Amino acid sequence: DAGVTQSPTHLIKTRGQQVTLRCSPKSGHDTVSWYQQALGQGPQFIFQYYEEEERQRGNFPDRFSGHQFPNYSSELNVNALLLGDSALYLCASSLISSYGYTFGSGTRLTVV
Amino acid sequence: GNSVTQMEGPVTLSEEAFLTINCTYTATGYPSLFWYVQYPGEGLQLLLKATKADDKGSNKGFEATYRKETTSFHLEKGSVQVSDSAVYFCARANTGNQFYFGTGTSLTVIP
Repeated sequence: DAGVTQSPTHLIKTRGQQVTLRCSPKSGHDTVSWYQQALGQGPQFIFQYYEEEERQRGNFPDRFSGHQFPNYSSELNVNALLLGDSALYLCASSLISSYGYTFGSGTRLTVV
Repeated sequence: GNSVTQMEGPVTLSEEAFLTINCTYTATGYPSLFWYVQYPGEGLQLLLKATKADDKGSNKGFEATYRKETTSFHLEKGSVQVSDSAVYFCARANTGNQFYFGTGTSLTVIP
């Protein structure tokens, strides 16, 4: 049973560019959440998607947007990249009816 | 507010030593509490959880008890192994399954 799959694993972008990160949830899960983990810090909640809609959002600017598809997979888009957006981006899937996540291994984004 | 505070690291222990990593939280009500572990280059893995006061979560020799009177969820293990070397995160969840994580505690166990 595949867990959470994220792609790509590593990415280097230039300041001002746009980036799209992808996530396939664990089989049977219907909810996808995205977290940003800066170096040496704990993950920070970006947003959560369920039934193709954003249900909750953390304290992140509108440059961060997302999407969930009918097959429950999800994308995270970041526009106008800043150096401070360099981080590990974690996707986590869950069932809407339960607590706790299964995390993917993350996408390491470096903005230069 | 909603926050999680955990013991700063790094922590270095000899194999078979006793481990405690402190974690306290602030929240309204009684949130579910978690410990996650992150090995180098990997995502987070659930280590244990407790969903109500006085519950004890346990897994792989690790334990943590939900103490509402002290708003704490300290992680303990009686005898650590080299393979336990990782970063440990304490977290609480709100009713919408949004998690608030601590800053993480790096543990290194030396033979």
